[in-house]
Amino acid sequence: DTGVSQDPRHKITKRGQNVTFRCDPISEHNRLYWYRQTLGQGPEFLTYFQNEAQLEKSRLLSDRFSAERPKGSFSTLEIQRTEQGDSAMYLCASTSGAGAGNTIYFGEGSWLTVV
Amino acid sequence: AQSVTQPDIHITVSEGASLELRCNYSYGATPYLFWYVQSPGQGLQLLLKYFSGDTLVQGIKGFEAEFKRSQSSFNLRKPSVHWSDAAEYFCAVGAGTNAGKSTFGDGTTLTVKP
Repeated sequence: DTGVSQDPRHKITKRGQNVTFRCDPISEHNRLYWYRQTLGQGPEFLTYFQNEAQLEKSRLLSDRFSAERPKGSFSTLEIQRTEQGDSAMYLCASTSGAGAGNTIYFGEGSWLTVV
Repeated sequence: AQSVTQPDIHITVSEGASLELRCNYSYGATPYLFWYVQSPGQGLQLLLKYFSGDTLVQGIKGFEAEFKRSQSSFNLRKPSVHWSDAAEYFCAVGAGTNAGKSTFGDGTTLTVKP
């Protein structure tokens, strides 16, 4: 069990460019979540997958954001035409089941700075 | 809609002193409550969680939290703080049975004085 891993850990991009983040959950975890965290705030839910199905998307996830989990294993979060307001840490988390009794394991996050 | 308030943005305690971090929540049904810790530049680690039963919950690293329904609170406590406890602490309320879709407070930063 190597934990949830995210890549890259840091990304600096120019406004208008596209960026993609990858998340590798703990193996056999069927639920995967994406959160966004800005400085001085707690994480905000963006979207989640059960296996390869994206079951819910937050209103925070504008049309410029897209997430996939094509084979029910790793997931990608792409941001198109980045804006300065997208600067944040993007956290991925996974768990083995739906119930609240299942512990959520977070990755170390991917920091995005849009200049 | 559910919400979480952590009234204290920053708390400083001396090493060895006791600690209490406050958390108030708003949720229409029986809440699922969590406390997480985040070290600088790192992800979140679950300290403890409450679903039902005993209102005093024990967690890792010597932390405990007490659920008080009448006060809509879930305060985190530790009897003796260590320097390594310096971090940011987040309280969260889960959406029904979907623990991963949680609403977080804005966090409390803990500084530990030697």
